[in-house]
Amino acid sequence: DTEVTQTPKHLVMGMTNKKSLKCEQHMGHRAMYWYKQKAKKPPELMFVYSYEKLSINESVPSRFSPECPNSSLLNLHLHALQPEDSALYLCASSQVGYIQNIQYFGAGTRLSVL
Amino acid sequence: SQQGEEDPQALSIQEGENATMNCSYKTSINNLQWYRQNSGRGLVHLILIRSNEREKHSGRLRVTLDTSKKSSSLLITASRAADTASYFCATDITRGGGSNYKLTFGKGTLLTVNP
Repeated sequence: DTEVTQTPKHLVMGMTNKKSLKCEQHMGHRAMYWYKQKAKKPPELMFVYSYEKLSINESVPSRFSPECPNSSLLNLHLHALQPEDSALYLCASSQVGYIQNIQYFGAGTRLSVL
Repeated sequence: SQQGEEDPQALSIQEGENATMNCSYKTSINNLQWYRQNSGRGLVHLILIRSNEREKHSGRLRVTLDTSKKSSSLLITASRAADTASYFCATDITRGGGSNYKLTFGKGTLLTVNP
């Protein structure tokens, strides 16, 4: 199973809402990632978790709050977002401690902030 | 600054033709990877080439790496309409003993294969 599952596929929220994005993988990967991707742009790394601990935060605004409750799950909690936060949010996972950092991506959540 | 820069930004070809995309980068790397992304979907890993390799093949894909020029190329032979997608190079620059989490993606090439 090389699948990373993201829910929901689409999300529309107002600037005062609180919502969460979810990501799940069962490949035994101990590194998980959140990326943000705007149209016609490459993915931009937001957060990295390694062994359920936050390893990298790419100076992401605090209105984005990641959580890794266990080795298979990754959440991204959203609060008081801005319209410019509208984007495709991608989750990925990979093995840890290997020379080759091959990442497996989910299909993404298309987020629209009104 | 952008580690990976693809060239061209967009490429349109006919089915059956070959497609070549290039990627340049700025710093020394451990490896370079190519990913494909269909419109609005997640990225799919295609192929990885290590810094000590010069060429690698996988099916209809051929990747070359020139570390002296800090560049790589992806060749897709006998293209199909289903190859229509964006293609990104990604560089891994992790150094000795560090955990290799961070991939830096290039801007991407949008390939359109016309039937």
